[in-house]
Amino acid sequence: QSVLTQPPSVSGAPGQRVTISCTGSSSNIGARYDIHWYQQVPGTAPKLLIYENTNRPSGVPDRFSGSKSGTSASLAITGLQAEDEAGYYCQSYDNSLSGWVFGGGTKLTVL
Amino acid sequence: EVLLEESGGGLVNPGGSLRLSCAAAGFDFSAYTMNWVRQAPGKGLEWVSCISGSSHYIYYADSVKGRFTISRDNAKNSLFLQMGSLRVEDTALYYCARGPRAVAASGYFDPWGQGTLVTVSS
Repeated sequence: QSVLTQPPSVSGAPGQRVTISCTGSSSNIGARYDIHWYQQVPGTAPKLLIYENTNRPSGVPDRFSGSKSGTSASLAITGLQAEDEAGYYCQSYDNSLSGWVFGGGTKLTVL
Repeated sequence: EVLLEESGGGLVNPGGSLRLSCAAAGFDFSAYTMNWVRQAPGKGLEWVSCISGSSHYIYYADSVKGRFTISRDNAKNSLFLQMGSLRVEDTALYYCARGPRAVAASGYFDPWGQGTLVTVSS
C-alpha cells in the first residue's frame, strides 16, 4: 500500500479534461514537501512531467498542469490526446519514513 | 544530452548477491545526488536509495536497509548498487535517476535510465 494514494485508473475521450488526484498526509504533502509528477508510457522509463507542484520542464505541453492544497495534489490534463495514454505517478518526501515516496500510479486510458 | 545507462541485472537465487551499475554522461556527475528506484513487474515505483555527490550522505528505504549498499565513483561517472541477501520480492526493474545538486527533501528525479531487470528466483 502506497503512502500517497492515487486512483488506479481514469479515462477520457480525446479533447476532454481529466484530473488525477494524489492524497497524502501530514508527514508528506501536508508537511509542505513539494509534489512531482511523472509520466510512464508502457515499456519505457518514467519521465518528469511536473516538478515542484506546478512547474513544467522544457518540452512538456501546457496541457499538463499541477496543483497542491493541504494534504492533496492534482494533475490536470486538458485537450486529451491518444499519446497521453500512460501511467502517471506522484512523488514527494515523507518525514516519518525519512525517504522519498511515490503514489501507486494511475493508468490513463484515452477512449 | 544527459544519459544514464544501467547494467548488471540478471537472474539470481534467493539469498544471493548482485551488483548493479549506472554509467552517466552529459553532465557534471559529481555535482548531483543520484538515486536507485525500482519497479516490480506490473507494479508502481519504489524509491530504493540516494547518495549525495560527495558520497557523504546516503539514505535507504527500510525495505532494503542492511542488505543493499549504494556507492559511486565520480572519476568514472558511475553509480553502483550492491545487493545482498536478495529476496523474491526484490524482483524488479531497477532504474538509476539523477536527483538535485544537493540532498533535498523536495527533490525530484530527472532524468531516468532505461532500467536493468533483476529476477530473484530459485
